[in-house]
Amino acid sequence: DTEVTQTPKHLVMGMTNKKSLKCEQHMGHRAMYWYKQKAKKPPELMFVYSYEKLSINESVPSRFSPECPNSSLLNLHLHALQPEDSALYLCASSQIADRARAFFGQGTRLTVV
Amino acid sequence: QQQVKQSPQSLIVQKGGISIINCAYENTAFDYFPWYQQFPGKGPALLIAIRPDVSEKKEGRFTISFNKSAKQFSLHIMDSQPGDSATYFCAASGYSGAGSYQLTFGKGTKLSVIP
Repeated sequence: DTEVTQTPKHLVMGMTNKKSLKCEQHMGHRAMYWYKQKAKKPPELMFVYSYEKLSINESVPSRFSPECPNSSLLNLHLHALQPEDSALYLCASSQIADRARAFFGQGTRLTVV
Repeated sequence: QQQVKQSPQSLIVQKGGISIINCAYENTAFDYFPWYQQFPGKGPALLIAIRPDVSEKKEGRFTISFNKSAKQFSLHIMDSQPGDSATYFCAASGYSGAGSYQLTFGKGTKLSVIP
C-alpha cells in the first residue's frame, strides 16, 4: 500500500465554520506533512510532524491547527478561515531517513465562502 | 532564503520530441533532488530523484542530469507523449533543523505534448 488517503476530496465552508481535513497512510512513514497549493503554484509547506511531534510550523496562522493522533493519521483543523485560504490542501508522508521520497495524497480542494 | 529556480515556465513539445526542464539551486546543503509530476486535480507524484554524488540517472524515458559545480540539474523526457502533459516540479531536500528535512520546490513547468 503506497497510498496517502485524504478526506474529503472537496470542502466548501463558511468563514464561521469549523471543519477538519483528514489524512491517513499505512506505509509506516514517521514523517507527515501538510502543504497548501494555490493554482499554478508549487506546494507550500505548512507543517511537519516527525514521530508524531510537530517539528516545523511555517508561520501558519492559528486558524489552521494540525494534529497527529498516531503514526498513521494526520488532521488539519480549520476555524474562521478567510476566502484567501481557498486552495488545494495536500498531505504527504515519507520515511524519516528518505524524506525527499515523499508520497502525496490527492488533496482536499477547499473553498471558503 | 533557500531557493530553487526552474525554467521554462511552460513548454510545448511535439509527440516524440525531447522535453527539457532546467533547475538551479543556491544552497549547497541540499542533498537530494527529486522531480515531481502533477496532473490537474491530483497530488504531486514522485517521478525520479538523484543524489549530488551522481551525474546522471535514467529511469525509462526520464533522465536527470546533475552538475554539482554549476549547482544545476535538469529533467529530460525522451520520446515525449501526450500522456506526459502535466506540471513538473523540481525540488531539493535539505536539513531544516530539529531533526526535520524540508522539500523546497521550484515554481513548476507546465508541459504540453501535442500530437
